Amino acid sequence: SQQGEEDPQALSIQEGENATMNCSYKTSINNLQWYRQNSGRGLVHLILIRSNEREKHSGRLRVTLDTSKKSSSLLITASRAADTASYFCAIGAGSYQLTFGKGTKLSVIP
Amino acid sequence: DTEVTQTPKHLVMGMTNKKSLKCEQHMGHRAMYWYKQKAKKPPELMFVYSYEKLSINESVPSRFSPECPNSSLLNLHLHALQPEDSALYLCASSQDQGGGSPLHFGNGTRLTVT
Repeated sequence: SQQGEEDPQALSIQEGENATMNCSYKTSINNLQWYRQNSGRGLVHLILIRSNEREKHSGRLRVTLDTSKKSSSLLITASRAADTASYFCAIGAGSYQLTFGKGTKLSVIP
Repeated sequence: DTEVTQTPKHLVMGMTNKKSLKCEQHMGHRAMYWYKQKAKKPPELMFVYSYEKLSINESVPSRFSPECPNSSLLNLHLHALQPEDSALYLCASSQDQGGGSPLHFGNGTRLTVT
């Protein structure tokens, strides 16, 4: 299985700004998923994007996928203090299970 | 609150104890998972059950023993653990196995081995 690599590892922004996190991977994928984890809690699924899709939206979230560059990005617009969390990309490849990347820790300062 | 319920929320156990972690979901999902997460690390897959049968065991030591009594329940039996096994243990479920559908996670059991 392959692991996504998130960039940056940590990100600190002011409330109201946009936050962008990136995920790169190495081989072909079926889908790529993004999850959020608040401190000490379980992970919450945000968006699943399939390999034949280029962009998906959900509320203030926008995910893009560029299979030629083997990368995805998660954009959170008009960030809020409540968006403070760790964000993980997870790779779905072949018939294997999801493999989680190391995550980006986002801090939104009120 | 999540649709996957894990108990207990916190557990402290000695190295000679036997304890069990429990997980329950009522979404009709056919795949259930145990993950282990150390501080500041991503979740690591331990076991996968599909249609109540163990389908993946990621070379987990035998001191961890999973059990799936029915399609809604998943247990993790713990025996003779080591201090390095202290971690957040997460249960998850999905509609089916294979990485093609979203995972629904519980809030985990924070395990401390003394």
